[in-house]
Parts: sequence; C-alpha cells; structure tokens
Amino acid sequence: GENVEQHPSTLSVQEGDSAVIKCTYSDSASNYFPWYKQELGKRPQLIIDIRSNVGEKKDQRIAVTLNKTAKHFSLHITETQPEDSAVYFCAASPMDSNYQLIWGAGTKLIIKP
Amino acid sequence: SQTIHQWPATLVQPVGSPLSLECTVEGTSNPNLYWYRQAAGRGLQLLFYSVGIGQISSEVPQNLSASRPQDRQFILSSKKLLLSDSGFYLCASSAGYEQYFGPGTRLTVT
Repeated sequence: GENVEQHPSTLSVQEGDSAVIKCTYSDSASNYFPWYKQELGKRPQLIIDIRSNVGEKKDQRIAVTLNKTAKHFSLHITETQPEDSAVYFCAASPMDSNYQLIWGAGTKLIIKP
Repeated sequence: SQTIHQWPATLVQPVGSPLSLECTVEGTSNPNLYWYRQAAGRGLQLLFYSVGIGQISSEVPQNLSASRPQDRQFILSSKKLLLSDSGFYLCASSAGYEQYFGPGTRLTVT
C-alpha cells in the first residue's frame, strides 16, 4: 500500500525567510496531494492541494510542487510570518481508495522573530 | 461548504468507563466520514472510515467501535476505556478528495 514520508520533522526559519517541506510517496497511482496546517490545539485545515495532472500550484505566499517521476511533492512558504508557526501535514490519496488519505508524520514549523 | 460538529469538546473519563463521541455533518449529502485519533505531539491515525450508512471499515484493531446510523451522523464508542485511548479525536468528512475536520474532542482517560 501507499506510504508517505515527510521531512524534516522540525524546521526553524527566520521570519521573512522561505520554508520548504518535502514529502515522498510510494504508490505511483496516487493522484491527489493535499497539505494541512494544524495550529496548537486546533483542527487540521486544508491550505493547498494539487492533482497529479498539475506540476505546480500557488496561492499567495504558499505553493506546492509535484514531481511525479521522482514521486515527491513539496510545500513552499515564502516571506514567512509568525502566524505560519504550526504543524504541517502532507498526504496522498491512492487511486481506487475511496478518497482515503495516507498521511505524513508532520513537520513542526517554527518562525523565529 | 461542509460544517462538521463534534461534541463534547473535552472529556475526562476513568479507565474502564464507556465512551460515546458524536459527529454530525451539514452542507453535503452522502459524505465519506472518518474518525482519527491524534496522540499528543503526534500525527493523524485513521481509526474508522465510512462510505455510507451502516458501512464501516476499521483500520486499527482496538477496543473502539464506530457506527453510522444516519447519512450525516458518525459515532465513536467504547465499552471500556484504556489509558492508551487518551488523545485528540477528530471527525472528518469528504464529498470527494478534500477532507474537512471537525473541532475535535480532547479525551483524557485517568
């Protein structure tokens, strides 16, 4: 079955710098890749997603890139702000899985003032 | 858009006591429904998912069970709680790929 690995587990960046979180997946038939942000004590919230027929998607300061050949996708956050501090989860949805998501272990992003 | 309701928000229960957590969904019909558990500082563990009324798939063998008596109602139960059942329980709903989460129930088993 599908397996998703997420790196790094913790990322500390200076406010204003960029942050990049990477995930790799094992099932080449997976076709949907979301990213969720979870603030302390809150529910995970979908911040951006990408389908397998697209290589890159942007929404203001966040972007996701997908490399189907290498089976990895990345979250890019530019001009980081204190409110970006949170845990970020990636996931992949295998084809024929009834839209189930296989989750990465999470990355704790710390924005240093 | 979907709205997911969960209650209670927090719960403290003794070991061996029963549990019932309820989740209801508004704004969509025939959603896929999910129960996740999140231990402190950890990731999301899928416990159960349902593609329709009465259809439940279990991902992890444990002392928990789930039921879906109505299209937009999902219930998580236990007859006897263990200390290891402590965690943040999240209900999620999807009408396609995008999963949306409820506010969660923080359960502490003492």
